[in-house]
Amino acid sequence: TQLLEQSPQFLSIQEGENLTVYCNSSSVFSSLQWYRQEPGEGPVLLVTVVTGGEVKKLKRLTFQFGDARKDSSLHITAAQPGDTGLYLCAGTNTGNQFYFGTGTSLTVIP
Amino acid sequence: KAGVTQTPRYLIKTRGQQVTLSCSPISGHRSVSWYQQTPGQGLQFLFEYFSETQRNKGNFPGRFSGRQFSNSRSEMNVSTLELGDSALYLCASSLEAGTYYEQYFGPGTRLTVT
Repeated sequence: TQLLEQSPQFLSIQEGENLTVYCNSSSVFSSLQWYRQEPGEGPVLLVTVVTGGEVKKLKRLTFQFGDARKDSSLHITAAQPGDTGLYLCAGTNTGNQFYFGTGTSLTVIP
Repeated sequence: KAGVTQTPRYLIKTRGQQVTLSCSPISGHRSVSWYQQTPGQGLQFLFEYFSETQRNKGNFPGRFSGRQFSNSRSEMNVSTLELGDSALYLCASSLEAGTYYEQYFGPGTRLTVT
């Protein structure tokens, strides 16, 4: 069962544009992580959000956890080619099992 | 602090053979999880080990097995390899940070079955 749906699945934009990636579920999560993965490598943890409504910023990336802790968004301002990669969200409930989203493949064209 | 390491990075095997992959977690992390990643199915959870015990298991056939040693290093084994087992196998170690866990991934082992 796929608990987390990400949209869009693919995104190709020009350098300097803004974008938002969504991660949605019908389940409540106690925490949610965002990762970026480059081809042939493992995902790299970007951020963890744990409180409903929480907003975290990482340079040009802004992460928000939904009030009901069922969804999250990732907004990138002024995208750069170095932002290219596969973005994955992952939710956890009680315990240590992670449920991964379907992924969003981002390409930023110089 | 060193990150999660996986060996080997690349592996080519023939159908019917078996394979063992190794993972060394971040120092101090006692939980190790294994995932299979393919273009069509995304990241699929295989199993999680904590203090040498399997704590969670995904929906994979019994050909996939794992174990964890007292130093938290983990191995996963796939027997009777099939073409569909070709994938990137990822290991992640995690640490409880208050009321939630954070997971850190290794670079993966790329397995090709011919």
